[in-house]
Amino acid sequence: DQQVKQNSPSLSVQEGRISILNCDYTNSMFDYFLWYKKYPAEGPTFLISISSIKDKNEDGRFTVFLNKSAKHLSLHIVPSQPGDSAVYFCAASVNYGGATNKLIFGTGTLLAVQP
Amino acid sequence: GAGVSQSPSNKVTEKGKDVELRCDPISGHTALYWYRQSLGQGLEFLIYFQGNSAPDKSGLPSDRFSAERTGGSVSTLTIQRTQQEDSAVYLCASSLAEQSEAFFGQGTRLTVV
Repeated sequence: DQQVKQNSPSLSVQEGRISILNCDYTNSMFDYFLWYKKYPAEGPTFLISISSIKDKNEDGRFTVFLNKSAKHLSLHIVPSQPGDSAVYFCAASVNYGGATNKLIFGTGTLLAVQP
Repeated sequence: GAGVSQSPSNKVTEKGKDVELRCDPISGHTALYWYRQSLGQGLEFLIYFQGNSAPDKSGLPSDRFSAERTGGSVSTLTIQRTQQEDSAVYLCASSLAEQSEAFFGQGTRLTVV
């Protein structure tokens, strides 16, 4: 059972335009969501996160939006740059009383930003 | 080092042999995760250690897989009687207890021939 889903395996965007990566989840207990970026032959690196008490979190060119009723989150990158080309993973977890729980990852979306 | 360290970086083994993969988490991180990524697939959860609590082993695919974490620090993932379908990149990550942001190592690429 895939609790975190990224239905688009790939996305191609022109440099300077907006990239929108989507993620859906099924477990309503998830209360913390994260995005990771992964280059080939490297481990994933943390990008941005959002708690379920918020619906938006912004960090520079990266903004994550959370729609709890739809169990959907998205990552917006604007403006997109060629160096953003990577696989993006969405992840979710349940925090019990301040202690973390395991991260469940989606299958990833390969973003290609064309110069 | 400052980051999560995994060894070896690459491992080629014959089918049926046992392998051990090592993970050195970031100092002070009480949470440690093992994931694997098979070719063209996402990150598959294997096992999660959090402090002194019993590990969450719900992701281990078979009883050939086991992991331990000694002294709350270094972790070893052991795969017995390796099969070709075990070929994947095995990723270790660690985090502070109160944060979900996990930091990953570079991974160990395991190839079973």
